Amino acid sequence: EVQLVQSGAEVKKPGESLKISCKGSGNSFTTYWIAWVRQMPGKGLEWMGIIYPGDSDTRYSPSFQGQVTISADKSISTAYLQWSSLKASDTAIYYCARRQRGMDVWGQGTTVTVSS
Amino acid sequence: QSALTQPASVSGSPGQSITISCTGISSDVNSYNYVSWYQQHPGEAPKLMIYDVNNRPSGVSNRFSGSKSGNTASLTISGLQAEDEADYYCSSYTSSSTLDVFGTGTKVTVL
Repeated sequence: EVQLVQSGAEVKKPGESLKISCKGSGNSFTTYWIAWVRQMPGKGLEWMGIIYPGDSDTRYSPSFQGQVTISADKSISTAYLQWSSLKASDTAIYYCARRQRGMDVWGQGTTVTVSS
Repeated sequence: QSALTQPASVSGSPGQSITISCTGISSDVNSYNYVSWYQQHPGEAPKLMIYDVNNRPSGVSNRFSGSKSGNTASLTISGLQAEDEADYYCSSYTSSSTLDVFGTGTKVTVL
């Protein structure tokens, strides 16, 4: 059974950089897409982008293009979401999820708090 | 791309059936049978309830069913139970970005 385990909560200051991770179990990590989803406090779900770790094919939602970078290291079955300069508005829970027929496996979420 | 439109809230009594709508446009719901539905309880990650319009993953109760007509997809919960109280989100593939887009979310209350 595939599981996705995300890195722990982060507290950062505006302008700092950050990279959070999503590690897949099992040996099939290169055979499915990994999506990243944002949920701001008290708000709905937002698609950010998606990566295929097998060849690092990456696509971004227009709202997040240029704001974040999605990457993956297939040798350690891990996908990443990173920011070069955080803003207070990046405060949210970030989920990774396997996308096959719908998003059928979800990570537990990583809470990112950006505050001065 | 714009989010799919869902009613903000839907409520029902235990045992009743409720339906949540999800309205898109020609480049998403209308054109593709890639509509999914997710349930999210407070403080938890979302859970896939329906994929490809009307398919249930293993382990999901058959009280949950999905359908689609034109630009609108629907999730029906029959035999409503207290544990069904949660937020529900639809999602559809959209050709406008070659990604998926979520709905605005619906809070289901069991009276």
